[in-house]
Amino acid sequence: AQSVTQLGSHVSVSEGALVLLRCNYSSSVPPYLFWYVQYPNQGLQLLLKYTSAATLVKGINGFEAEFKKSETSFHLTKPSAHMSDAAEYFCAVSGGGNEKLTFGTGTRLTIIP
Amino acid sequence: GAVVSQHPSWVICKSGTSVKIECRSLDFQATTMFWYRQFPKQSLMLMATSNEGSKATYEQGVEKDKFLINHASLTLSTLTVTSAHPEDSSFYICSGAGAFVGTFYEQYFGPGTRLTVT
Repeated sequence: AQSVTQLGSHVSVSEGALVLLRCNYSSSVPPYLFWYVQYPNQGLQLLLKYTSAATLVKGINGFEAEFKKSETSFHLTKPSAHMSDAAEYFCAVSGGGNEKLTFGTGTRLTIIP
Repeated sequence: GAVVSQHPSWVICKSGTSVKIECRSLDFQATTMFWYRQFPKQSLMLMATSNEGSKATYEQGVEKDKFLINHASLTLSTLTVTSAHPEDSSFYICSGAGAFVGTFYEQYFGPGTRLTVT
């Protein structure tokens, strides 16, 4: 079984500051890890995914995440926050194949002007 | 990326009535579709997984007689909420899984349907 834990249900950062959203996973098999963003009243948009290739994954909108097996982590970062980054972010894990995604509880990111 | 649409985007219905939500994969064949439910300020909870032409597999605690899922074609799945009650009010999101990307099916999410039962 797989699970993810997102530390911090709310994160606030100033515009231009570093964004760091934390995600730790638990998996009995090599995991596939994802970060999704959700804007109000919208579906989910894939930011990036780890699929056992490079451990540093670059995604859209300047986000990236690093897979650290020793720490069972897959934290999401962005060097400089923009007002448009304000949204809900979900980390998710899958065991591969057509297995279901298991989502974390989400982190609401607020950007302070 | 692949596109998934949902219809309607927002629906209000009276308690006791049924409502159908459509999920379509517009530019790919979704051999597997997933239905999620999301309460305000909460995460997505998987309700069921459906493979084209087969009966849906429901997650524990989801009433299959209340939430009827049909996946009759590779581009269309429907979720019917039968005898809806106010506690069924929620945001329902579907996703379609298409061709393999590496060794897994990548899921593409629809924009969601907000159901309000009065």
